[in-house]
Amino acid sequence: ETGVTQTPRHLVMGMTNKKSLKCEQHLGHNAMYWYKQSAKKPLELMFVYNFKEQTENNSVPSRFSPECPNSSHLFLHLHTLQPEDSALYLCASSQEAGRDQPQHFGDGTRLSIL
Amino acid sequence: GENVEQHPSTLSVQEGDSAVIKCTYSDSASNYFPWYKQELGKRPQLIIDIRSNVGEKKDQRIAVTLNKTAKHFSLHITETQPEDSAVYFCAASIRGNSGYALNFGKGTSLLVTP
Repeated sequence: ETGVTQTPRHLVMGMTNKKSLKCEQHLGHNAMYWYKQSAKKPLELMFVYNFKEQTENNSVPSRFSPECPNSSHLFLHLHTLQPEDSALYLCASSQEAGRDQPQHFGDGTRLSIL
Repeated sequence: GENVEQHPSTLSVQEGDSAVIKCTYSDSASNYFPWYKQELGKRPQLIIDIRSNVGEKKDQRIAVTLNKTAKHFSLHITETQPEDSAVYFCAASIRGNSGYALNFGKGTSLLVTP
């Protein structure tokens, strides 16, 4: 399944670097999500966009900055990250940000902060 | 925030046996409960979901049951096979700031031994 594509798959960066994660969905969905997956923790919702509008910011530090230029693309801009930010970052999409909407995930970006 | 508790965290069964994973949730407004399977290094994939207007749903060897009164739901895998080995996540819909999102359990690592 290539409905949700994330790039890059792996990223190593220093704490002072600036980088961006990219997500693209080809499913015609209108909602997109960023999740953080750390070892032995539940998937943590970071941001929700519904029809390009941010509808959820789950108390995420400002060093993570999302951007959603259209319903098919979602970015996560990173700057001045901390070692504890090392994790797998997953993008997902659904038809709408509704109550009973299945979410489809990308393969994720494995981020390592040196 | 609202929590989803998932048990057990690890489960080992012999090929052909059944596996049961249980989740509880706290938000009485939750009405959508998906289950995801994540193989090592791969994306979470939706395997089955249930909505609050039904108590049980089955798809071949996989079934999910929901008890809204007790606020718990379970995944049942029968006739397990080695390829069922993966991490399984349950989730429950929750009401966010301006819409609905999914709250995930911590996951169950299932190992099916031949």
